Amino acid sequence: SQQGEEDPQALSIQEGENATMNCSYKTSINNLQWYRQNSGRGLVHLILIRSNEREKHSGRLRVTLDTSKKSSSLLITASRAADTASYFCATLLLSNKLIFGAGTRLAVHP
Amino acid sequence: DTAVSQTPKYLVTQMGNDKSIKCEQNLGHDTMYWYKQDSKKFLKIMFSYNNKELIINETVPNRFSPKSPDKAHLNLHINSLELGDSAVYFCASSQEVWAQYFGPGTRLTVL
Repeated sequence: SQQGEEDPQALSIQEGENATMNCSYKTSINNLQWYRQNSGRGLVHLILIRSNEREKHSGRLRVTLDTSKKSSSLLITASRAADTASYFCATLLLSNKLIFGAGTRLAVHP
Repeated sequence: DTAVSQTPKYLVTQMGNDKSIKCEQNLGHDTMYWYKQDSKKFLKIMFSYNNKELIINETVPNRFSPKSPDKAHLNLHINSLELGDSAVYFCASSQEVWAQYFGPGTRLTVL
């Protein structure tokens, strides 16, 4: 069964709004990572949060991690049309295997 | 100065053929990976090599054989291609278990 599941599957917002994506996982992890994939392109690493961290910021990105609930969220503030992409959470298991979720498709309309 | 490169970008071939995809990284990373992304965008690890040694080998048909001639290269050879092998294959690299850097992908279509 899939380790990471993301919610929602698709999100449509207006430019300037915030976008929140959630990720849940099942087993213990070393770290959790978020990636972005533009249509027809490879994945780009956005941010990594370690299992002993609770919150991390990078520019307009804010990631939280709740290991007791086995969940994480990615917040993109003041979204732009260029943020339109698929966003994937990936959990690094204790076996050092990185398992990706199914992704959230974000559409930001001008 | 591409960090992770893959060739070819597109591969269209007939069932039963044998094909290879090449990957190179110039980041000095010690670990390289092959992933398969299906039509629903689900990304699944296939293989991982650390310093030319196979460390992750998922349940993948033995028609798929990775080869790492040195730590900057990881190639994927596929024998007897099947329709279900059609997907986008991504190569990636990382330093130990940190952020992974992905190549642009190879879209394989088996007819």
